[in-house]
Amino acid sequence: AQSVTQLDSQVPVFEEAPVELRCNYSSSVSVYLFWYVQYPNQGLQLLLKYLSGSTLVKGINGFEAEFNKSQTSFHLRKPSVHISDTAEYFCAVARSGTYKYIFGTGTRLKVLA
Amino acid sequence: EPEVTQTPSHQVTQMGQEVILRCVPISNHLYFYWYRQILGQKVEFLVSFYNNEISEKSEIFDDQFSVERPDGSNFTLKIRSTKLEDSAMYFCASSDRGFNEQFFGPGTRLTVL
Repeated sequence: AQSVTQLDSQVPVFEEAPVELRCNYSSSVSVYLFWYVQYPNQGLQLLLKYLSGSTLVKGINGFEAEFNKSQTSFHLRKPSVHISDTAEYFCAVARSGTYKYIFGTGTRLKVLA
Repeated sequence: EPEVTQTPSHQVTQMGQEVILRCVPISNHLYFYWYRQILGQKVEFLVSFYNNEISEKSEIFDDQFSVERPDGSNFTLKIRSTKLEDSAMYFCASSDRGFNEQFFGPGTRLTVL
């Protein structure tokens, strides 16, 4: 069965420091990959997506992610975080041929002043 | 910018009662989804809907659940006889193509007493 692992449940980081949020998935077939952000009491907002093509994808708010097929990973990075980036981040995977998302358990990013 | 809307934002109901959660997807989208997020847990897929029929559903989506697109704009999720464990945030999503990004609504918080 397909699964998505976000190993870090919480990541504290100081403002202007870089951050990486990890996402690994298990699938034997082609996948589509997504990162969503959820601010407190709000819905899910797409940060970036990988459908095909370049393995390095850039998203909104200065985030980027790299698809690594051999390591089945899609880690999210930002070179310099802001207080406003404090939120929960979800990695999601859709297996080719099906359109449902399988979500990871989420990583709570807390940016400290 | 077009967005997915959901009503109500919060629904409180008694165990055993029927509830209908409403969603208005983005107007030119063809694929519709329901997900739920139990407090503190990950977002889980419930059902996908395309061309006026269910295209995929999860084990959670049992006979107590149903979906409908009663007109050209609304997409509803009905729970026939609510249980305590149905308490969760329910998200509606839509996409223009099956493999493309899904746009999520702000969610309906369902509380079953």
